[in-house]
Amino acid sequence: GQQVMQIPQYQHVQEGEDFTTYCNSSTTLSNIQWYKQRPGGHPVFLIQLVKSGEVKKQKRLTFQFGEAKKNSSLHITATQTTDVGTYFCAGPYSGAGSYQLTFGKGTKLSVIP
Amino acid sequence: EAEVAQSPRYKITEKSQAVAFWCDPISGHATLYWYRQILGQGPELLVQFQDESVVDDSQLPKDRFSAERLKGVDSTLKIQPAELGDSAMYLCASSLEGISIDEQYFGPGTRLTVT
Repeated sequence: GQQVMQIPQYQHVQEGEDFTTYCNSSTTLSNIQWYKQRPGGHPVFLIQLVKSGEVKKQKRLTFQFGEAKKNSSLHITATQTTDVGTYFCAGPYSGAGSYQLTFGKGTKLSVIP
Repeated sequence: EAEVAQSPRYKITEKSQAVAFWCDPISGHATLYWYRQILGQGPELLVQFQDESVVDDSQLPKDRFSAERLKGVDSTLKIQPAELGDSAMYLCASSLEGISIDEQYFGPGTRLTVT
């Protein structure tokens, strides 16, 4: 079936270091979304990428969508303790009646102060 | 800021018992989703409603799970009978129209423990 693979599964960084998580789809995506889930919390929408090769920035976060629209990445510059959480990518795949947003397994980020 | 409401936040039940979860989406959102999230995994879609109609329930274990959204607003997810493997976080989400570019707004979830 449709899959969204995400690596790494875990990442421990020293505060101030950079962090990157990668997302790969088995098929071409119309768009890709990124969510963040804090420990004990629920997923919160971060951003959506639609265009091939698109790059978007949110302060220290940089999101990229691959040229083939099958992969994406999230890069955080100079991590802070507030960045702790699990980052999920999600892509829409055709479901039974509409589309399904299929989530990757996420990358759990730990930041050591 | 409008939020998705869910209750209860935590539920402990014995296996073979019935359990029900409630969700109230953001006002005006036509699409409602129920997800199950196992620890260490991403959310997995169980059922999707467009207004009061089920759009996709292909991943819903229909022998024990049921979901309804009778008036196209709030929704209930039921499990009967609960099994040990049902222990997970049950997340409700809503979106404006249910098209692929809609962002989804998640509720706080119900943490279910089956003993």
